[in-house]
Amino acid sequence: DGGITQSPKYLFRKEGQNVTLSCEQNLNHDAMYWYRQDPGQGLRLIYYSQIVNDFQKGDIAEGYSVSREKKESFPLTVTSAQKNPTAFYLCASSILPGATNEKLFFGSGTQLSVL
Amino acid sequence: AQTVTQSQPEMSVQEAETVTLSCTYDTSESDYYLFWYKQPPSRQMILVIRQEAYKQQNATENRFSVNFQKAAKSFSLKISDSQLGDAAMYFCAYGGGSNYKLTFGKGTLLTVNP
Repeated sequence: DGGITQSPKYLFRKEGQNVTLSCEQNLNHDAMYWYRQDPGQGLRLIYYSQIVNDFQKGDIAEGYSVSREKKESFPLTVTSAQKNPTAFYLCASSILPGATNEKLFFGSGTQLSVL
Repeated sequence: AQTVTQSQPEMSVQEAETVTLSCTYDTSESDYYLFWYKQPPSRQMILVIRQEAYKQQNATENRFSVNFQKAAKSFSLKISDSQLGDAAMYFCAYGGGSNYKLTFGKGTLLTVNP
């Protein structure tokens, strides 16, 4: 079955540590996105990529980094510069770039907590 | 900047009854899209329904329908014959303009009582 796989489901970060969240899709979608969800808040865009080897910052990119070396993969690194990383992270994709009119397909998310 | 407001943090409905979730948005764009996404306890977001602003006809998907009032910038979701599986967080989202992101509201938690 086609879909988006995020791993791990739960992740714990120690002070000063970088951690990487995995996102893989087999939908052959061009565009991929990373959203952060905090309790009582909507989703906020961290980074998005419209095509391989290209990505743009979203609204809250500080303290995060991404890469898009393969169409299927869009990993997110939470760096030590992100002082409040505890949140639920959702990866999404769309068939074409331009999520403003496209249905987003979401993964099942990663809950990141700070030890 | 576009904003999306969901004024009801929580709603409840009896099984088989109808419930309406509210959403308002602010934009200067004339062409845009509006969405309702559902997030069940599994936390995986699922698209419920999509509305194109240039279409006057309200979108429907089985038991789910919207009341789109463009002049009032209102986009409410009506769930008919509510089922226990409808219990979830519902997010309204706006997509438009030249940027490549959706703007989400803060969500409405829907409880369905048996």
